[in-house]
Amino acid sequence: SQTIHQWPATLVQPVGSPLSLECTVEGTSNPNLYWYRQAAGRGLQLLFYSVGIGQISSEVPQNLSASRPQDRQFILSSKKLLLSDSGFYLCAWSLEHRTFKNIQYFGAGTRLSVL
Amino acid sequence: AQKVTQAQTEISVVEKEDVTLDCVYETRDTTYYLFWYKQPPSGELVFLIRRNSFDEQNEISGRYSWNFQKSTSSFNFTITASQVVDSAVYFCALRTSGTYKYIFGTGTRLKVLA
Repeated sequence: SQTIHQWPATLVQPVGSPLSLECTVEGTSNPNLYWYRQAAGRGLQLLFYSVGIGQISSEVPQNLSASRPQDRQFILSSKKLLLSDSGFYLCAWSLEHRTFKNIQYFGAGTRLSVL
Repeated sequence: AQKVTQAQTEISVVEKEDVTLDCVYETRDTTYYLFWYKQPPSGELVFLIRRNSFDEQNEISGRYSWNFQKSTSSFNFTITASQVVDSAVYFCALRTSGTYKYIFGTGTRLKVLA
């Protein structure tokens, strides 16, 4: 069966510091991968998605970037964090993203506080 | 434009009560998919159900049931005999055919009191 792992679970970072959040998927190959942010009390905002190694699409311009160095690894990064980057970050995976098989399965999330 | 509206921000019920969570969607596409996810306090979103636009049959899974009505663009979720473990935020989402993007509602926080 497939599993998705995210770490760290919680992170407190000062403003201006770098960020690296990691997500890995096991039990499947060539998954589609997604990064979402959930601000407190709000819905989910899609940040990035990837259909393959090195292929990243950005949904919104922001202080963050994403990379996919390996088939089942997705990394969310920032060079300098802003206060507004605080939130709950969720990674998700799915099979083919444009077909009926696209059911997204989520990781446990990373709670980021920028102080 | 596509949109999902979950008008109920928060609902509180007493254990064993039935509760319905509302979801209204907007899309001009004829082929689309609707989803419900549960987000318990731990934070992970748990997939509950997917419905496609051509299948209006209601579905029941244990204490959970879903009522899909295209005429009113609604996909409501009912929990029968609620339990404390049902306490969570529930999200409804829409995806149109040929796209990758989910449009999420803002969620409904359900509190089930013992």
